[in-house]
This record gives sequence, C-alpha cells and structure tokens, in this order.
Amino acid sequence: TQLLEQSPQFLSIQEGENLTVYCNSSSVFSSLQWYRQEPGEGPVLLVTVVTGGEVKKLKRLTFQFGDARKDSSLHITAAQPGDTGLYLCAGIPQGGSEKLVFGKGTKLTVNP
Amino acid sequence: GAGVSQSPSNKVTEKGKDVELRCDPISGHTALYWYRQSLGQGLEFLIYFQGNSAPDKSGLPSDRFSAERTGGSVSTLTIQRTQQEDSAVYLCASSLVRLTRLGSYGYTFGSGTRLTVV
Repeated sequence: TQLLEQSPQFLSIQEGENLTVYCNSSSVFSSLQWYRQEPGEGPVLLVTVVTGGEVKKLKRLTFQFGDARKDSSLHITAAQPGDTGLYLCAGIPQGGSEKLVFGKGTKLTVNP
Repeated sequence: GAGVSQSPSNKVTEKGKDVELRCDPISGHTALYWYRQSLGQGLEFLIYFQGNSAPDKSGLPSDRFSAERTGGSVSTLTIQRTQQEDSAVYLCASSLVRLTRLGSYGYTFGSGTRLTVV
C-alpha cells in the first residue's frame, strides 16, 4: 500500500504553461516535504510544510499543505525547461516515525 | 565534505556475488539514511542511523542486506549473494537533526550508487 499517492505520474507541457502536482494520503502527516530529482542525481529538498493550511512560495513554485495535513500540492507558474525533473513528495506520518515516506513521484517535462 | 558522497557511482556485479556500497555523510550530520530507488517504485526506506543509538533496520528487505556506520560517520551497505531484483539505485542521505524535529531541515542526498546485477 502506497501511503502517499502522487498525481499525475507523468506530465509533459509547453514552456509558459502552469501546472499543479498533487500528493494525497488517507493518513495524517506531521510535515510534508517536496524534492526535485534530476537524472543521475539524488533528490534535492525544495520545501518543508508543517502547519495545516500552510502556503509557501519559492519564486514560481507554490506549495500548499492541506488543512487536515493529509495532502499537499505543488503549483508551478509559467513553467520553464529548467523545471524539468522528477518531483517527489515525502512526509513524516503522525506518530513520530523517524523515516520519511516518499511518493512515487511526478515526472515533469517542460518543452521549449 | 560539502555534500554527501557515495561510491561507487555505478556497480555491475554477477548474481551471487557480494557488494559493498559506501556513503560519506556531511560532517556533523548525526542522522544517516539508506533508501533504494527502483524504476517506477519511488524511494524505499532501508535503514536509519542516529548517533550512537541502535539503527532502525526495519526496511531491510532480507537478511542478505546489512549496514554499519563506523565512528558515527561513514556508512557501508552490504548486499550478500546479490539477486537480479536487487538492481536499483541506492541512495544515502544525512540530516542535521532528528527527523521528528525536522522543522525546515531536510535530507541531503548523495548522487547514489546504480547497482546492476547480471
């Protein structure tokens, strides 16, 4: 059973378009993180959200943590080819687990 | 070092052989994690070391897998009698604080070791 479900699995868009990636669960998380991974490299942390309803912005990226702390979204405005990569959400299930649980990722391709 | 270093970057081995994968975490990071990334499967937790505490081995898929962390720094993941299903990218990460007090800290990952068992 996958604790964190990401959608869509694949996304191919044109430069300049907007997009949203979703990360959903039936479980409550103490916090959620988003990572971006490029081929041949390890994931790189983009953001951590810890409070239900929290919204964080990182340039053209907007991250939201659901009020019930069961879901999160990543919205990219005016996507650029440099945004291409695998986006992973990861979270700490409520209860103090020391291990991050990862979704399977969304593979984003932004075409020039 | 400035980042998490993993070696080798690629390893091709014959089925049945043993392999050792090395991770050199960021200096001062007390927590160290090993994950496995298979195609289409996301990141699968393997093992977690925190300071001098007993490691959390709950993610190791079989007794062919073992890991140690010497002197609170370098870690080695050993896979004995490798099988084809062990083929994956093995990622090591370290962090400064315990995960449950993560706050704005996250994992810093290495670039991984791509293991291919033929």
